[in-house]
Amino acid sequence: VQLVESGGGLVKPGGSLRLSCVASGFTFSDYYMTWVRQAPGKGLEWVSYITTSRGTMEYHDSVKGRFTISRDYTKSSVYLQMDSLRVEDTAIYYCARGGTSSLKWFDPWGQGTLVTVSS
Amino acid sequence: EIVMTQSPAALSVSPGERATLSCRASQSVNINLAWYQQKPGQAPRLLIYDASTRATGIPARFSGSGSGTEFTLTISSLQSEDFAVYYCQQYNFWYTFGQGTKLEIK
Repeated sequence: VQLVESGGGLVKPGGSLRLSCVASGFTFSDYYMTWVRQAPGKGLEWVSYITTSRGTMEYHDSVKGRFTISRDYTKSSVYLQMDSLRVEDTAIYYCARGGTSSLKWFDPWGQGTLVTVSS
Repeated sequence: EIVMTQSPAALSVSPGERATLSCRASQSVNINLAWYQQKPGQAPRLLIYDASTRATGIPARFSGSGSGTEFTLTISSLQSEDFAVYYCQQYNFWYTFGQGTKLEIK
């Protein structure tokens, strides 16, 4: 089981970025997927998740209306479109796998991709 | 939001000794609690879920206990590879993490 994120980088406040996470080693369509972030030197914060067949999406209040999660079953990938970025969105963004019928614990996690929002 | 509070913030323990880490929830989370280990420059790794069930491949020296608002992660005999930051996470109502406990070599 492996998750590999990409798409991070330096962006100005108000800008956009799209993160990708490619999954392998398991049946991607069977699992909820989630994004968690970690500001430099800080703790962990859940950001968003997406379910399986119905594709229901949920977001932390801090990103609601600015971030959009999606998944592409043909590419075994999950994405995080981040718009109207703020300095406080600076963090390592991890994608992680959830369960098959719900999201409880997160296992495994990808290696993360760093997003820096700065002018 | 359910606030998770971990104590202590840092813990110094000698290899071979036992380490006990605590996690308190601001309201009951039943047994909907997980523990993760994070080493510098690495992603978190799941250790325990449902408060006391070890994840696949996790050594038996790691054990979790508790329910409601009080939880404990115990590492029975510390190995060099166990020195890391440990986070608890509740999934009873949305998802929130504690601020972490840094386990250091004494």
